[in-house]
Order: sequence, then structure tokens, then C-alpha cells
Amino acid sequence: KQEVTQIPAALSVPEGENLVLNCSFTDSAIYNLQWFRQDPGKGLTSLLLIQSSQREQTSGRLNASLDKSSGRSTLYIAASQPGDSATYLCAVKVLTGGGNKLTFGTGTQLKVEL
Amino acid sequence: NAGVMQNPRHLVRRRGQEARLRCSPMKGHSHVYWYRQLPEEGLKFMVYLQKENIIDESGMPKERFSAEFPKEGPSILRIQQVVRGDSAAYFCASSLGTGEYGSYTFGSGTRLTVV
Repeated sequence: KQEVTQIPAALSVPEGENLVLNCSFTDSAIYNLQWFRQDPGKGLTSLLLIQSSQREQTSGRLNASLDKSSGRSTLYIAASQPGDSATYLCAVKVLTGGGNKLTFGTGTQLKVEL
Repeated sequence: NAGVMQNPRHLVRRRGQEARLRCSPMKGHSHVYWYRQLPEEGLKFMVYLQKENIIDESGMPKERFSAEFPKEGPSILRIQQVVRGDSAAYFCASSLGTGEYGSYTFGSGTRLTVV
């Protein structure tokens, strides 16, 4: 059974700091890994999608890497801003007999302070 | 492109009533997924549907819960005889395809409160 763990569970940093969020998964048989952002009381916004054949993806100040063999992904946020404050979720798309589905981690709650 | 539309945004039901949650996928997407987020917990898969077919319902409680995605109209998640433990945020997602190229787009969710 696929399990996804995110460390740390919560993080508070001053504005401008570079930071790394970690995600690990137990089964390397994944289709892809997706990072999402969730604001309080809101839905999920997709940030980056890394296909299983890729090593990293970049979008603006965000960079996500994937090491499928070791079951790890990191989300790097450069020059953090207060507007980055949110919960960050990683999810892996797994192969199942019935199709495909995402297995989510429990998230990292980020607070960027002025 | 209106994205994935869910309604209602908030729903309050008394114990024993029925709850109906609606999801319209992104235009052109034929794959729909429902997830539940219980308070202080992560998102859990419930069901995966394609038009008129349930593909994977391994995450659905065996009783009181059902889902459909008819040929015409939105996908519906139906909860009969709701109990307080059903209070949660229910998210719908859609994708264009499957496999490694299938990126999910999520709706804003329906927050169900059972009183």
C-alpha cells in the first residue's frame, strides 16, 4: 500500500528565505508526482507535475525534483514571500487495477512572516 | 475555461437527511475523481468515474455513499442518511487522460456540515 509522508508538518520562516519541503513515498511504481497548494478553506491549486521519467520541473520561484528510486521529492521555494503562506501537498499517481488515483501526503503548513 | 465547478460550496444537513454534491469537470475532461478531506486529515480517494461508468470505488464507504457520472450533466456524489462523521470537505477533480501525462485539476470543494 502506497504511503506518502511530508516533512516538516509545519514551517515558519522569515520573508526572503529559501526553503525546501520534503515528500517521501513507499512504492516507486508511480506514474507521476504532483505538488499542490491549499489555502485555508479553499481548494487545491496545482503547482508542478513531474512525470515518472523526469527528474525535475521548474515554475517561477518553484523547483520540484523527483528521485523515484529512493522514493523522494523536494519542493524548493526561492525568496519566500508572505503570499506563499499555505499548506503544500504532494501526491503520487499510482498504478491500480481499477485505473489511477492520487495518494496524498498530509501536507506541510508554511507560514512566511514579514 | 471555468475549471472544475463544484456546488454547493457549503451544505448543512441534519442527521438522517440526504446530501447531494455536484461536480462539473473541466471542458473536455472525461475522468472525474472524488476525494474527502476530514478535519485535520489528508485527502483520501473515494471514487474514480468516467462517463456512465464507475472505474474504481475502492475508497467509498460500503453503505450510504454512491456516485454517478451520467452521459449528460455533472457528476453527483450522494450521501444518504448523513451522520456527524460525514462532516468534511469533499473535493472533485478531473483529468483529460490517465497515465503519467494526466494532470489533475481540482474544484474548490463542498464543505458538508452535519448537525
